[in-house]
Amino acid sequence: AQRVTQPEKLLSVFKGAPVELKCNYSYSGSPELFWYVQYSRQRLQLLLRHISRESIKGFTADLNKGETSFHLKKPFAQEEDSAMYYCALGLSGGYQKVTFGTGTKLQVIP
Amino acid sequence: GAVVSQHPSWVICKSGTSVKIECRSLDFQATTMFWYRQFPKQSLMLMATSNEGSKATYEQGVEKDKFLINHASLTLSTLTVTSAHPEDSSFYICSALASGGLDTQYFGPGTRLTVL
Repeated sequence: AQRVTQPEKLLSVFKGAPVELKCNYSYSGSPELFWYVQYSRQRLQLLLRHISRESIKGFTADLNKGETSFHLKKPFAQEEDSAMYYCALGLSGGYQKVTFGTGTKLQVIP
Repeated sequence: GAVVSQHPSWVICKSGTSVKIECRSLDFQATTMFWYRQFPKQSLMLMATSNEGSKATYEQGVEKDKFLINHASLTLSTLTVTSAHPEDSSFYICSALASGGLDTQYFGPGTRLTVL
């Protein structure tokens, strides 16, 4: 069965510091990985997906199949990045089931 | 962008009553919708996959007779919590799958259910 692990419940960084939110997954097939973000009092929204290989709001994430990781990175944190971040794993070939990690709360200190 | 709404945003009910939650895709058609449950400070747990015109697919451990799902149109799915009890109190979130190109799940704002 698929599984997503986000080891940090809370990550506090100073404004301007680099950010890395960790995500590891377990899945026997070909994974589809996503990062979702939930700002305070807002709905969950897609931040990025590994197959798009794009950078959104300065965030990037590289799928490392050898380490089964999909860490989210940003070189310089901004206050508006403070939010809850969820890593998610979808089954290969479709999105009929998405398994979410437990989430990491990012707190950017001014 | 695609918008998904949920109604009501919050509801309080007495134990033993039933509560219906609606999930609508406002500007796109969704053949597939998902229902999640989120406990405080925990992740989203997939409850069931709702497919338009067919029976919902429930995840292991989710009682299909307690959480009735109806997906009667391409823009509406409903979740009915039957004979609700205090342990059913939770945050229920739906998402709708927008087809075409890269399939993307769009999430509703969630419904806070409190059962007294």
